[in-house]
Amino acid sequence: GDSVTQMEGPVTLSEEAFLTINCTYTATGYPSLFWYVQYPGEGLQLLLKATKADDKGSNKGFEATYRKETTSFHLEKGSVQVSDSAVYFCALSGFLYNQGGKLIFGQGTELSVKP
Amino acid sequence: EAQVTQNPRYLITVTGKKLTVTCSQNMNHEYMSWYRQDPGLGLRQIYYSMNVEVTDKGDVPEGYKVSRKEKRNFPLILESPSPNQTSLYFCASSLRPSSYEQYFGPGTRLTVT
Repeated sequence: GDSVTQMEGPVTLSEEAFLTINCTYTATGYPSLFWYVQYPGEGLQLLLKATKADDKGSNKGFEATYRKETTSFHLEKGSVQVSDSAVYFCALSGFLYNQGGKLIFGQGTELSVKP
Repeated sequence: EAQVTQNPRYLITVTGKKLTVTCSQNMNHEYMSWYRQDPGLGLRQIYYSMNVEVTDKGDVPEGYKVSRKEKRNFPLILESPSPNQTSLYFCASSLRPSSYEQYFGPGTRLTVT
């Protein structure tokens, strides 16, 4: 079945460092891809998304490109801040008619940014 | 303010004592869903609903029930909770499933002893 694999955490970076969180997926058809972020004690919120191959999603300095040839959707940010400390989830949307339109999540990557 | 609300936020209960976690959204969304989050497993879907009176099982439905009598509400029912249902639960809604953004509630942390 469809699945998402993302790099293990925790990831610890210094402020202003470059961030990459790897995400690869297995899916039938053409899913939409998402990055969600979960700040401590809160629910998940959408960070960015891409709905077709070669689309680039971007928000708050974060970017990710939908790469169908490598089945990847890596998250990047050029200069992280302490406020970016959170857990990041890569997800894909299942097909409506055989997967109930659910989001299929990776296991999450915890990011800690030190001043 | 557009939001998904869940109650309670924290709950400690004992094995076998029926409980309900409420979920409500104010965005007139058709699609609603329940997930549980467990360490190392990410989030897994429990049940979902395409619209009023239309519900179906997700990946981990055992031990749970849901109902969708009104568009805005989607309660999660544990008729006989067991310790393996100790988890963090999230309700989510979206205008439509698949490519649309899903909005998540703040979560309910449930402990079953």
